[in-house]
Amino acid sequence: EPEVTQTPSHQVTQMGQEVILRCVPISNHLYFYWYRQILGQKVEFLVSFYNNEISEKSEIFDDQFSVERPDGSNFTLKIRSTKLEDSAMYFCASIEGEMNTEAFFGQGTRLTVV
Amino acid sequence: DAKTTQPTSMDCAEGRAANLPCNHSTISGNEYVYWYRQIHSQGPQYIIHGLKNNETNEMASLIITEDRKSSTLILPHATLRDTAVYYCIVRAANAGNMLTFGGGTRLMVKP
Repeated sequence: EPEVTQTPSHQVTQMGQEVILRCVPISNHLYFYWYRQILGQKVEFLVSFYNNEISEKSEIFDDQFSVERPDGSNFTLKIRSTKLEDSAMYFCASIEGEMNTEAFFGQGTRLTVV
Repeated sequence: DAKTTQPTSMDCAEGRAANLPCNHSTISGNEYVYWYRQIHSQGPQYIIHGLKNNETNEMASLIITEDRKSSTLILPHATLRDTAVYYCIVRAANAGNMLTFGGGTRLMVKP
C-alpha cells in the first residue's frame, strides 16, 4: 500500500537553528499538509499546499515557517530559527483529490529543540 | 467546520464490538463525518467517512442518524491493536479543506 514517508524520524536541534523536515507524499496526490502535535496535546493544522502554493495556513504558521515542493516529489517544512516551543511531532499528510478525500499521514518527525 | 463532541475515554473487551459515539449537532448539509485514529504517537490513520448513509469498510462501520446530528463508529471485533485515540471530524468534502482534530476518544481494549 502506498504511504507517506517522512524523514528524519527524530531531529534534535539547538534553539535558533534552522531545520528542514522532509516528506514524500503519495505520488499521485495533489493536496499536501503539515500538522503538528505538541506532546500530550491535540493535532494542530499548520498549512495546506496545492498547485505549488499555500492554500491555507493557521496562526501557528508564522514567518518562521515555510513550505516548498522543490522537485515534484518532496514536500518540505522549514523552520528558520527554532524555539523551544517548536518541539513537537510534525506530521505530513496528502490527499489524492476531489474524488478521494481521505488524508494519508506519515509517521511523523519528532523535533526536539534544546 | 462544525464542532464535534466525543467521550474522553472508553473501555472495550477484546473480541467485543466497540461503539464510539460522536455528536455533531451543528453539521451543515455539505459536511461529511470522518473518523481517524491515532495509535500512540503515530500519524493519524483514516478509518471511514460518510455523508448520510451508513457506511462499512474492512475496518469499521459508520452509523449516521437520520437527522445527521450524531454518529457511531463501530469496530465489530475489537482487538488489542485497536487501542488508540479515535477522532470524529466533520468537514466539507473538498479535498483542500484541512482536518480539525479535537480531543477524541481514548479507546482502551482490554483482554
